[in-house]
Amino acid sequence: QKEVEQNSGPLSVPEGAIASLNCTYSDRVSQSFFWYRQYSGKSPELIMSIYSNGDKEDGRFTAQLNKASQYVSLLIRDSQPSDSATYLCAVRLTGGGNKLTFGTGTQLKVEL
Amino acid sequence: DAGVIQSPRHEVTEMGQEVTLRCKPISGHNSLFWYRQTMMRGLELLIYFNNNVPIDDSGMPEDRFSAKMPNASFSTLKIQPSEPRDSAVYFCASSLQANYGYTFGSGTRLTVV
Repeated sequence: QKEVEQNSGPLSVPEGAIASLNCTYSDRVSQSFFWYRQYSGKSPELIMSIYSNGDKEDGRFTAQLNKASQYVSLLIRDSQPSDSATYLCAVRLTGGGNKLTFGTGTQLKVEL
Repeated sequence: DAGVIQSPRHEVTEMGQEVTLRCKPISGHNSLFWYRQTMMRGLELLIYFNNNVPIDDSGMPEDRFSAKMPNASFSTLKIQPSEPRDSAVYFCASSLQANYGYTFGSGTRLTVV
């Protein structure tokens, strides 16, 4: 089992819909979780961080964390074509010090 | 703040040549990370430094790769000799504290022919 797993997609959603991106991780006691957005040919950009169980909202983005089930998700409301990108889940695994372990990313396509 | 600055943006070199990638972290950040990204393997951590000290270099592929951080504002990743399989995008990132996310540089696209 990979330490951080994501469905590679592509996930296609119509403009205005809710996009739901999921990530599972192997380390039950991990404490820090991050979502990055990466446009084609660009560097990853941090969009959300979450540390406690439950939901965290920031504008159109909501991160959800369930430590018992070892998954973290990202919801994008009112999806726009400009949201089309690859979304990377990153976890600070126990014993990993300060490093983040990234999933391979989910490609999101928002269609007009 | 200028962000994390990497140079060069693109590098094309011949197999067997030495390649040096450079990174200037955000001022005040005490952790610096070198990642490599390929389509096949995604983002892989090569090495990271805390307060200029290498902490984890388990991701460095082999002895051909080396990294240094002589001071808080500069780091290099060197590949000698380079091979075609080293072709990838190399990212440098920095962070302020252990529980924060990273800020990535723009990356260096390396092509070894």
